[in-house]
Amino acid sequence: GQQLNQSPQSMFIQEGEDVSMNCTSSSIFNTWLWYKQDPGEGPVLLIALYKAGELTSNGRLTAQFGITRKDSFLNISASIPSDVGIYFCAGPGEETSGSRLTFGEGTQLTVNP
Amino acid sequence: DAGITQSPRHKVTETGTPVTLRCHQTENHRYMYWYRQDPGHGLRLIHYSYGVKDTDKGEVSDGYSVSRSKTEDFLLTLESATSSQTSVYFCAIRSGTGTYEQYFGPGTRLTVT
Repeated sequence: GQQLNQSPQSMFIQEGEDVSMNCTSSSIFNTWLWYKQDPGEGPVLLIALYKAGELTSNGRLTAQFGITRKDSFLNISASIPSDVGIYFCAGPGEETSGSRLTFGEGTQLTVNP
Repeated sequence: DAGITQSPRHKVTETGTPVTLRCHQTENHRYMYWYRQDPGHGLRLIHYSYGVKDTDKGEVSDGYSVSRSKTEDFLLTLESATSSQTSVYFCAIRSGTGTYEQYFGPGTRLTVT
């Protein structure tokens, strides 16, 4: 089946540092979605990407749709303690119907004050 | 706020008992989804619905059934709960208007003893 590989699995950083994480797939994706999940809550959509090469920002977050359409990247600049959480990538790859999303297993981010 | 509520938010039940979880949305979205989230597995799709009385299986549907008799409600039933169904269950919606973005509810934590 279709899989998304996220890396790193976890990150421990100091407040103020920049963060980079990525998501790769064995197949082409038409849309990339990035979610954040705070402890005890449901995932919240951060950024949606629709076009290969697209670069989109949401405050201190920037995400890119890889030109091969098999990867995506999320960067967080000047991290703060409330950035703590799990970050998921997701997408409706060509192998699934448009009704379904495939999710990566997440990157757990810890920010030390 | 996607107008999604889940009930109950927490439940403890015994092995072999039936359990029904409810997802309610207020914005008339066509697509609704049930996921489970477990450590090391990320979000896995159980069932989804693409309209009233129209449902389909996800990747981990064994032991679960769903019903959607009204646009706003999507019910997930565990006919005979097992300890392996201890998990956090999330409902999500998608508007179905040409995007793949899904929006999640707050989750239900189910413990089967």
